[in-house]
Amino acid sequence: DAGVIQSPRHEVTEMGQEVTLRCKPISGHNSLFWYRQTMMRGLELLIYFNNNVPIDDSGMPEDRFSAKMPNASFSTLKIQPSEPRDSAVYFCASSSRTGGEKLFFGSGTQLSVL
Amino acid sequence: AQTVTQSQPEMSVQEAETVTLSCTYDTSESNYYLFWYKQPPSRQMILVIRQEAYKQQNATENRFSVNFQKAAKSFSLKISDSQLGDTAMYFCAFSTPAGGTSYGKLTFGQGTILTVHP
Repeated sequence: DAGVIQSPRHEVTEMGQEVTLRCKPISGHNSLFWYRQTMMRGLELLIYFNNNVPIDDSGMPEDRFSAKMPNASFSTLKIQPSEPRDSAVYFCASSSRTGGEKLFFGSGTQLSVL
Repeated sequence: AQTVTQSQPEMSVQEAETVTLSCTYDTSESNYYLFWYKQPPSRQMILVIRQEAYKQQNATENRFSVNFQKAAKSFSLKISDSQLGDTAMYFCAFSTPAGGTSYGKLTFGQGTILTVHP
């Protein structure tokens, strides 16, 4: 298995622009998570899905952030409009019910908002 | 709310020696999982070891072992025979069932940067 695949690996954009981060979970995994990593706040859970349904989005910082999971093999995290304080590494992770406590992470997207 | 504390921002060790990274947590839950994740410079988050709270036996994975003290809410990681490839940021993490739907809501500590010197 190729593991959790995220794209792009790096994204540089200007303030006010829309940013879309993409994630393909491991095939067969039914839970998907978006985390954000910054120096100041460490690793934070933004939102997670179970069977493509958003379960908890309490970690989403503002209405500028939205996430979707249209099917079991694809999810997006969108920021519109982006701001410099959104600069961070965004990780996608997936897990399965049978081994639910093991989380597999993608390589992350380094986002820089200028 | 659960909290995870790693009190050592940085540690260093000589190759082939043993090092222990500390982690404490706070929770009122009785059923939970604890993890150590490794993040090398490549940025990839790699699961090193996990421990189920209901198991008294400490988890072991090759050169990595934990000292789980449930009453003290302590979960330290011991790395034996340290190798240069162990150089990374290490995160302690905590997870509880979220309404029975997933264990994946990890709460992370701030991390410990480990440097292994030749």
